[in-house]
Amino acid sequence: QQQVKQSPQSLIVQKGGISIINCAYENTAFDYFPWYQQFPGKGPALLIAIRPDVSEKKEGRFTISFNKSAKQFSLHIMDSQPGDSATYFCAASFSGNTPLVFGKGTRLSVIA
Amino acid sequence: GAVVSQHPSWVICKSGTSVKIECRSLDFQATTMFWYRQFPKQSLMLMATSNEGSKATYEQGVEKDKFLINHASLTLSTLTVTSAHPEDSSFYICSARERSAETQYFGPGTRLLVL
Repeated sequence: QQQVKQSPQSLIVQKGGISIINCAYENTAFDYFPWYQQFPGKGPALLIAIRPDVSEKKEGRFTISFNKSAKQFSLHIMDSQPGDSATYFCAASFSGNTPLVFGKGTRLSVIA
Repeated sequence: GAVVSQHPSWVICKSGTSVKIECRSLDFQATTMFWYRQFPKQSLMLMATSNEGSKATYEQGVEKDKFLINHASLTLSTLTVTSAHPEDSSFYICSARERSAETQYFGPGTRLLVL
């Protein structure tokens, strides 16, 4: 049973456009929701994270929107650039020493 | 931000040999380290969780006698793939977390190719 469902699987966006990636979770006990960016052959790098007491968090061109009642959260990349082309993973975890549960990833391609 | 290193970055070995991969937290004390395996175009699959000074907790389906994990210090964890076979070829990634912290920092990964 997949605890974090991520969509779409792949996404093509024009340069300057908005990239939107969605995730839905099942376990309401999750209380930490990070997004990671991974380039080919590299380890994932933390982009931005949110806790459920906040509905939105923005860092530069990256914004997380969080809907607790719908158990959904999304990543918005404004003014998408070719350098943003990568695989993005959403994740969720509980408080304490628990591992992250990852979505299956979204391959983003930003074309000029 | 916090830095996690892995060594080696890639390794090629013959079937039947053992390979050790090191994961180090360079500027923080990692009370918990995680080991993941990733196949091409797939998500990260958690193999095991290790807490400093304790035995690792393995995920279901991961052979603990084949994938030996040691977390002897607050800055170093090692994964040893024993008697490696071609099906063990994969991208292995570690991550580390400080005590009571939420954020996991990932290493750059180790590409293992078993011939």
